[in-house]
Amino acid sequence: AQSVSQHNHHVILSEAASLELGCNYSYGGTVNLFWYVQYPGQHLQLLLKYFSGDPLVKGIKGFEAEFIKSKFSFNLRKPSVQWSDTAEYFCAACYNFGNEKLTFGTGTRLTIIP
Amino acid sequence: DAGVIQSPRHEVTEMGQEVTLRCKPISGHNSLFWYRQTMMRGLELLIYFNNNVPIDDSGMPEDRFSAKMPNASFSTLKIQPSEPRDSAVYFCASSMGGQATQYFGPGTRLTVL
Repeated sequence: AQSVSQHNHHVILSEAASLELGCNYSYGGTVNLFWYVQYPGQHLQLLLKYFSGDPLVKGIKGFEAEFIKSKFSFNLRKPSVQWSDTAEYFCAACYNFGNEKLTFGTGTRLTIIP
Repeated sequence: DAGVIQSPRHEVTEMGQEVTLRCKPISGHNSLFWYRQTMMRGLELLIYFNNNVPIDDSGMPEDRFSAKMPNASFSTLKIQPSEPRDSAVYFCASSMGGQATQYFGPGTRLTVL
């Protein structure tokens, strides 16, 4: 079955630390990949997405992600986190061209300590 | 643009009652999605529509759940009868179709007592 795995359930970092959140997908064919963020009490917002081209994707708020096909991974990174980055982060994949269904990972809760 | 609009934002009901959740997608978007978020199962797609037609309803849990999209600017998700295990946050999202970015609404937090 098509799936998305986020192995880090809860990450706690201090401000200015570097961040990397893992995301692995299960399908070896064409896949579009997304990272969404959900700030406390708010709805999901798109951070960045990868469809094709440059495997290093830059998103909003200083986030980036790298698509590594050989590892089925799409890890999210930020060189220096801020307290305002405290949120839940979801990786998602769209596996079937022509089908818009997004499969989400279970999410990673990120807590930044001031 | 006002974004995706959902109502109500919070709903508390008793087991056995009918619950109707509403969604207004972003104008011009032709795909609409209903998701459910729980602690145990995370975010799950329940159903999605394209041009008002249901395309994939494989995530609808059982016959108690139904969804309609009578026109391009309105959709409902109905649960009848509701059960405590239906308690969750229900999100609606819309997109321009063709795997475009999905924009999420604020969600409806449903509590079934």
